Amino acid sequence: KAGVTQTPRYLIKTRGQQVTLSCSPISGHRSVSWYQQTPGQGLQFLFEYFSETQRNKGNFPGRFSGRQFSNSRSEMNVSTLELGDSALYLCASSSGHDYGYTFGSGTRLTVV
Amino acid sequence: QKEVEQDPGPLSVPEGAIVSLNCTYSNSAFQYFMWYRQYSRKGPELLMYTYSSGNKEDGRFTAQVDKSSKYISLFIRDSQPSDSATYLCATWADFAGNMLTFGGGTRLMVKP
Repeated sequence: KAGVTQTPRYLIKTRGQQVTLSCSPISGHRSVSWYQQTPGQGLQFLFEYFSETQRNKGNFPGRFSGRQFSNSRSEMNVSTLELGDSALYLCASSSGHDYGYTFGSGTRLTVV
Repeated sequence: QKEVEQDPGPLSVPEGAIVSLNCTYSNSAFQYFMWYRQYSRKGPELLMYTYSSGNKEDGRFTAQVDKSSKYISLFIRDSQPSDSATYLCATWADFAGNMLTFGGGTRLMVKP
């Protein structure tokens, strides 16, 4: 059974640019959640999508957005990048009805 | 104050030692309590979960929840160098939306 796939694994962007990260969930999983992990703040919830609808959103500015496609694949976009956006961005998939999450290996974003 | 607090460590122990990792949480309505293990450059992987209070054992790992004191523990017996990783406690409740609330993580190093 394939796991959660995140692409790309590493990204370097310049301040002010925008970036799009991709996540392919486990087959059959309809929920995709995104988390930001930094040394100072740990893992923080960004948002969750279920059947193409955003069900829950964390406390992040509007520069962070996402979407989910009909095949459950999800993308996350960050516009007008800031140095503080440098982090590991993790995607997790689940059935959407319980606590059973499987995480991908993440995308390491560095903003310079 | 964060909803889930965890000592960041690092915690360094000799091989074969018993390791105790702990978290406290603030919201008494949390229902599920999880422990994730995260190796360097990888996403978190679910180690164990516990529903409500009590103990759960899986091989060398024991998870313990005391809801009266809002305390979560993970014990590792006969620790191995391969256990060296960051351990994250997390909580989940359906009232909070389909999201995990994480502690900051404890870095564990098991020395041969």
